[in-house]
Amino acid sequence: GQSLEQPSEVTAVEGAIVQINCTYQTSGFYGLSWYQQHDGGAPTFLSYNALDGLEETGRFSSFLSRSDSYGYLLLQELQMKDSASYFCAACIRTGRRALTFGSGTRLQVQP
Amino acid sequence: DTAVSQTPKYLVTQMGNDKSIKCEQNLGHDTMYWYKQDSKKFLKIMFSYNNKELIINETVPNRFSPKSPDKAHLNLHINSLELGDSAVYFCASSHPLGAETYNEQFFGPGTRLTVL
Repeated sequence: GQSLEQPSEVTAVEGAIVQINCTYQTSGFYGLSWYQQHDGGAPTFLSYNALDGLEETGRFSSFLSRSDSYGYLLLQELQMKDSASYFCAACIRTGRRALTFGSGTRLQVQP
Repeated sequence: DTAVSQTPKYLVTQMGNDKSIKCEQNLGHDTMYWYKQDSKKFLKIMFSYNNKELIINETVPNRFSPKSPDKAHLNLHINSLELGDSAVYFCASSHPLGAETYNEQFFGPGTRLTVL
């Protein structure tokens, strides 16, 4: 089966840097996405890694290592509005055309 | 200008009833999805359609039946509702996954279904 593991909760202070890890066990892995979801809201896309290495988008960066079946989301200069749940999601290269989501990491940013 | 819209936003109903949730996207995507998010926020794929054709049907009770009248719409009909069906249901759309330039899925605002 397909599975993605993330920490359930992370707490950090404003202005800090936080890393949210994701390890996956999938067959036909193609790439890793990250989504943000605020309470009561819809998931919104943050980033996608198809290749190994770091992708940077403003304060957010995402990293993938295929050999380690591991990725992470790095959030810098944390702001209160970053308090949300963050999901990693694997894109599987098979006949399926959907994402398999991890269980989500709830990030609490404190003043 | 809404990209992916769902109706209704909230749905409260009694056990045993039949209900439908509608979804529409104006992004020109070929692929649409239904996800279920439970109380622990676990987000799980239920169905996926590509150009009106069902391509994913996860282990979902056959009380759930998706219908895609055209590639911009994907509706979800649920028969004989049960307490365990209470969840938030998200519709989403994207270009076919695996394309190198597009991987982003656009989610609707969700429908919070409560079965009493």
